Amino acid sequence: QSVLTQPPSVSGAPGQRVTISCTGSSSNIGAGYDVHWFQQLPGAAPKLLIYGNNNRPSGVPDRFSGSKSATSASLTITGLQAEDEADYYCQSYDISLSGSEVFGGGTKLTVL
Amino acid sequence: QITLKESGPTLVKPTQTLTLTCSFSGFSLSSNGVGVGWIRQPPGKALEWLALIYWDDDKRYSPSLKSRLTITKDSPKNQVVLTMTNMDPVDTATYFCAHREVYGGHDYFDYWGQGTLVTVSS
Repeated sequence: QSVLTQPPSVSGAPGQRVTISCTGSSSNIGAGYDVHWFQQLPGAAPKLLIYGNNNRPSGVPDRFSGSKSATSASLTITGLQAEDEADYYCQSYDISLSGSEVFGGGTKLTVL
Repeated sequence: QITLKESGPTLVKPTQTLTLTCSFSGFSLSSNGVGVGWIRQPPGKALEWLALIYWDDDKRYSPSLKSRLTITKDSPKNQVVLTMTNMDPVDTATYFCAHREVYGGHDYFDYWGQGTLVTVSS
């Protein structure tokens, strides 16, 4: 059971907009810690998509955006493309149990 | 250009100790704010953070695995080593190392190695 909760799967048609949620608690996201998002294509290493809640690294299309509010965060993908089909993970820091980096359980995005 | 690559055994027996090496280039682990972490992923499952070491030798461990993990660095060799004792079949996973650095107040894993699959079986 992950400390950060994500929906197991989401789907959308090409061109549509999808949102992936990441629900935490007062000991992680709610405590003010940054949320980062990673994209993992099949058989590949995770790739940084969003850092510091809503910042895109160089080279990441502006179709990807992040937000954070209270104890949750969200990743939104607009103009969905076939190559966006992948697993997506949120990541933050948790101050309970002596402190720990924590990942969400991951969300499989299917492009219909 | 930052690159990282994991190396180590592909197969270990239960109760054995696993030693993995992360060899990197494009950055120095002696530089202020820089770190290297280890993350694993069992087949078909989610990512799990294991350990993190910073330029100043500050070491952090997953609370659930802390008693089994040791992370060390060899800055001149550009390597970070992770050891995990008492391996069990549930530890079968792909193990990744990743670069970490503080940028403008944000601290995150930005570059990842390709990962190495470790199977625990007798």
